Amino acid sequence: DVKVTQSSRYLVKRTGEKVFLECVQDMDHENMFWYRQDPGLGLRLIYFSYDVKMKEKGDIPEGYSVSREKKERFSLILESASTNQTSMYLCASSSVVLAGNEQYFGPGTRLTVT
Amino acid sequence: AQRVTQPEKLLSVFKGAPVELKCNYSYSGSPELFWYVQYSRQRLQLLLRHISRESIKGFTADLNKGETSFHLKKPFAQEEDSAMYYCALSRPGNQFYFGTGTSLTVIP
Repeated sequence: DVKVTQSSRYLVKRTGEKVFLECVQDMDHENMFWYRQDPGLGLRLIYFSYDVKMKEKGDIPEGYSVSREKKERFSLILESASTNQTSMYLCASSSVVLAGNEQYFGPGTRLTVT
Repeated sequence: AQRVTQPEKLLSVFKGAPVELKCNYSYSGSPELFWYVQYSRQRLQLLLRHISRESIKGFTADLNKGETSFHLKKPFAQEEDSAMYYCALSRPGNQFYFGTGTSLTVIP
């Protein structure tokens, strides 16, 4: 059974804090993604990675950075959290070779910045 | 540029009625198109993809390249179909673009 896990389901942080969101997949997928999900705006891609140490900006990378030191782990970093980063964050992984390019999603982390 | 458009944010239908969730896309190449679904308190999951040409839970979607559409259809809606539905497009390089989603409510 494929699995994408995220380190926290709920997180509350203060403005200005550095925030780490962790995502781990056990499917040996090459590609990993970070999205934020907001009502009325759908899923917006923040960053994605198609290999270890590789990253590409998505549509809304401002205020975020990522790290992928190992194939199975993809971290999203908010360098200085702001209230407009309050959102649901979804991690996903995919593999064209192993999974026909289907994206597998984690359960999400609901981040509140106060 | 808006690559995937779902014009309806909310859609309500009665149980047993047909349902159609609209999706239009803009992409000059040959896209790979998907429908994802998120049931209450569950993670987002794949419903179907156009290359499979299969029917999942009674849903079908046909790619119309002339109209650049990939509408999701089901002839008889069920209460368990109530969920958030996202249309998505994948282009070479594995980047995905999702629409803004349609929340479907099936009224008993």
